Amino acid sequence: AQSVTQLGSHVSVSEGALVLLRCNYSSSVPPYLFWYVQYPNQGLQLLLKYTSAATLVKGINGFEAEFKKSETSFHLTKPSAHMSDAAEYFCAVIGARSSASKIIFGSGTRLSIRP
Amino acid sequence: EAEVAQSPRYKITEKSQAVAFWCDPISGHATLYWYRQILGQGPELLVQFQDESVVDDSQLPKDRFSAERLKGVDSTLKIQPAELGDSAMYLCASREGQGILTGELFFGEGSRLTVL
Repeated sequence: AQSVTQLGSHVSVSEGALVLLRCNYSSSVPPYLFWYVQYPNQGLQLLLKYTSAATLVKGINGFEAEFKKSETSFHLTKPSAHMSDAAEYFCAVIGARSSASKIIFGSGTRLSIRP
Repeated sequence: EAEVAQSPRYKITEKSQAVAFWCDPISGHATLYWYRQILGQGPELLVQFQDESVVDDSQLPKDRFSAERLKGVDSTLKIQPAELGDSAMYLCASREGQGILTGELFFGEGSRLTVL
């Protein structure tokens, strides 16, 4: 079975500071990993995905994530936070060789940006 | 730009009443999902359709919840009777193709349910 754990339900950074949102996964098979963003009262939007190609994945809005198998991590980073980055971020996983196509979401991290 | 349409956006109902949510996925998307998102938590899969067939409804409380996708296009999720614990955002998502998921899910804006 697959699962993800997001460390920190709420992260607050200053505008222009580094953003780091942590995600650790558990999977019995090589995983595919995703980060989604959710703005207030909206659905989720894909930021980036890892599907066993390059371990450093670049996404939209300047975000990137690095797959580290040894640490079972897929942390999301952005060098310089912008006010518009304030949102809820969800890490998600699916087993790459699973016959199912069910994506499992973490509990989310709310990112706040201080002026 | 093609979008997943959901209605209603907001629904307030009293417990024991019936409620229904509608979803129209992006045209051509064979796979459709209904997720429930309780405030402060991640989305939890309720039911997955491949065309008109249910692929996974293991987390759907079948005593009160039902879902259908009769013609393999739009879908309806029904709750009867509603309970206080059903208050949540109900999200619909769709994707192209079938099989192992490698691409993205496209989400609608959701239907927020409040049960009084």
